[in-house]
Amino acid sequence: DQQVKQNSPSLSVQEGRISILNCDYTNSMFDYFLWYKKYPAEGPTFLISISSIKDKNEDGRFTVFLNKSAKHLSLHIVPSQPGDSAVYFCAGQNSGGSNYKLTFGKGTLLTVNP
Amino acid sequence: KAGVTQTPRYLIKTRGQQVTLSCSPISGHRSVSWYQQTPGQGLQFLFEYFSETQRNKGNFPGRFSGRQFSNSRSEMNVSTLELGDSALYLCASSLPGSENIQYFGAGTRLSVL
Repeated sequence: DQQVKQNSPSLSVQEGRISILNCDYTNSMFDYFLWYKKYPAEGPTFLISISSIKDKNEDGRFTVFLNKSAKHLSLHIVPSQPGDSAVYFCAGQNSGGSNYKLTFGKGTLLTVNP
Repeated sequence: KAGVTQTPRYLIKTRGQQVTLSCSPISGHRSVSWYQQTPGQGLQFLFEYFSETQRNKGNFPGRFSGRQFSNSRSEMNVSTLELGDSALYLCASSLPGSENIQYFGAGTRLSVL
């Protein structure tokens, strides 16, 4: 049972435009969500996170939106840069009881074209 | 500040052997988690250690085990290797009080022949 789904395996965007990466989840116990970026031959790099008590969190060019009723979150990158080309993973967490296990989606490959 | 360090970066083993992977967390981080990444299953949680105790465990067979030392360094062991254990093994650490956010190492690529 895939609790976190990233339905778009890939996304291609022009430099300077907005990139929108989507993620759906089924586990209503998730109370924290994170986005990671991964380059080949490297480990995932933390990008941005959001608590379930919020609906938006912004950090520079990156903004994460959470719609709890729809069990949906999205990552917006504005403006997109060629260096943003990587695989993006979203992850959910049910941190009650000191359980910080991350449940990941399968990832979306973002390509930003110059 | 040094990041999470995993050794070795690459490993080749044969079926039936056992393997030990090492992880040094970021200085000051006390929680260490391990994940397995495969093309079919994606990133899956193996276990988490905190203060030398296994705090959480994923759905992996008992052949997968780990431990944590008093300096927060962690090792993961896989016994009786199977072909399906070929994967990228990732270690992540987090800071006390901010354990939601995990910082990953570059991983150990294990190939089982």
